[in-house]
Amino acid sequence: GENVEQHPSTLSVQEGDSAVIKCTYSDSASNYFPWYKQELGKRPQLIIDIRSNVGEKKDQRIAVTLNKTAKHFSLHITETQPEDSAVYFCAASKVKDNFNKFYFGSGTKLNVKP
Amino acid sequence: DAGVIQSPRHEVTEMGQEVTLRCKPISGHDYLFWYRQTMMRGLELLIYFNNNVPIDDSGMPEDRFSAKMPNASFSTLKIQPSEPRDSAVYFCASSFAPLRRPRYGYTFGSGTRLTVV
Repeated sequence: GENVEQHPSTLSVQEGDSAVIKCTYSDSASNYFPWYKQELGKRPQLIIDIRSNVGEKKDQRIAVTLNKTAKHFSLHITETQPEDSAVYFCAASKVKDNFNKFYFGSGTKLNVKP
Repeated sequence: DAGVIQSPRHEVTEMGQEVTLRCKPISGHDYLFWYRQTMMRGLELLIYFNNNVPIDDSGMPEDRFSAKMPNASFSTLKIQPSEPRDSAVYFCASSFAPLRRPRYGYTFGSGTRLTVV
């Protein structure tokens, strides 16, 4: 099966700085890569996703990049704010007609210091 | 839509007791997933259903765990007998079939925090 590794496990940045979280995957057939944000005591929520036919995707202060050759993808948060503090999970999947299994990374705890 | 609804939010039970967790997926979603989250192991997929049919239960830890989906709007995860090491947050999630929507990430429920003492 797929193996997703995520780094770093914890990340502390100053408010206004950028944060980058990296994930690698093992299955070259994986074609869908979502990112989830989980605030303390709450459910994971989808914040951005990217498919394998796209190299980069942006949504306001967050962006995701994908390097299929190297099998890694990254989450970039610019101008970080205290409300960005949370645990972020990456995932990989080779979605097709009747297969919809996500493999999650171990999570990155992001702390944005005011 | 109210989203994915799980009950109870918190459950404290004694070792050996039966525990039943409940989930109502988003109406129209084709897939339902049960995840377990712990500090040590992160998010673990236990089982998932497609159109009420179990597709992959390879993540179910042992025979003490069972899951059912009798109809499109309801699923249960049962632990019998429960053990302290089952203590975790259990999430239910649902999604559309991958090819039906351009964005098919999971929508998670609020989770059930299970404590077995």
